[in-house]
Amino acid sequence: QVQLKESGPGLVQPSQTLSLTCTVSGLSLTSNSVSWIRQPPGKGLEWMGVIWSNGGTDYNSAIKSRLSISRDTSKSQVFLKMNSLQTEDTAMYFCARRRSGNYFDYWGQGVMVTVSS
Amino acid sequence: AIVLNQSPSSIIASQGEKVTITCRASSSISSNYLHWYQQKPGAFPKLVIYSTSYRASGVPSRFSGSGSGTSYSFTISRVEAEDVATYYCQQGSSNPYTFGAGTKLELK
Repeated sequence: QVQLKESGPGLVQPSQTLSLTCTVSGLSLTSNSVSWIRQPPGKGLEWMGVIWSNGGTDYNSAIKSRLSISRDTSKSQVFLKMNSLQTEDTAMYFCARRRSGNYFDYWGQGVMVTVSS
Repeated sequence: AIVLNQSPSSIIASQGEKVTITCRASSSISSNYLHWYQQKPGAFPKLVIYSTSYRASGVPSRFSGSGSGTSYSFTISRVEAEDVATYYCQQGSSNPYTFGAGTKLELK
């Protein structure tokens, strides 16, 4: 069955770089696209970006200058890197499989990232 | 960016009651690109309805969706205790894909 699982540090210092990994199983990254979506505590959902099945990427323009999404298909992993973190980047970060119509049918459990000194 | 205005922001309903949530988009969206999610506390969002009116796998028939253009709705025909959650609409029509602010459903 399809599974996604996020991993990464729970605490990041302000101005530092966040690195997260999404490990997938039950699907191939060369025929599936994966997005990152985040949710600050008690708030709504923000789509961050997508890595397409062909390896191309698209980002939310609001954070595009700070964000990079990449993958290692041999390890079935998708990576998120975001620099210049601030306290407002404190959030639960989810990876999710994107489907035609740009909806998300399988999600990871999420990883909580706190930006604090 | 397309802004999605969801209303109401919260609903208190009795078991067995019908509830409807509205999602209005700041620009017209093809019905293929409007979707609904259910999120329970401490959990990831779960896809409920995709492309306006198609139920995701395993979703009970009491959940339904409709709409077109800039106006969409999500209905639970008879609310059950397990439906207590926050519901979000989402558009996949244009980058950035955006979500509504959410509607919190509670039981009376």
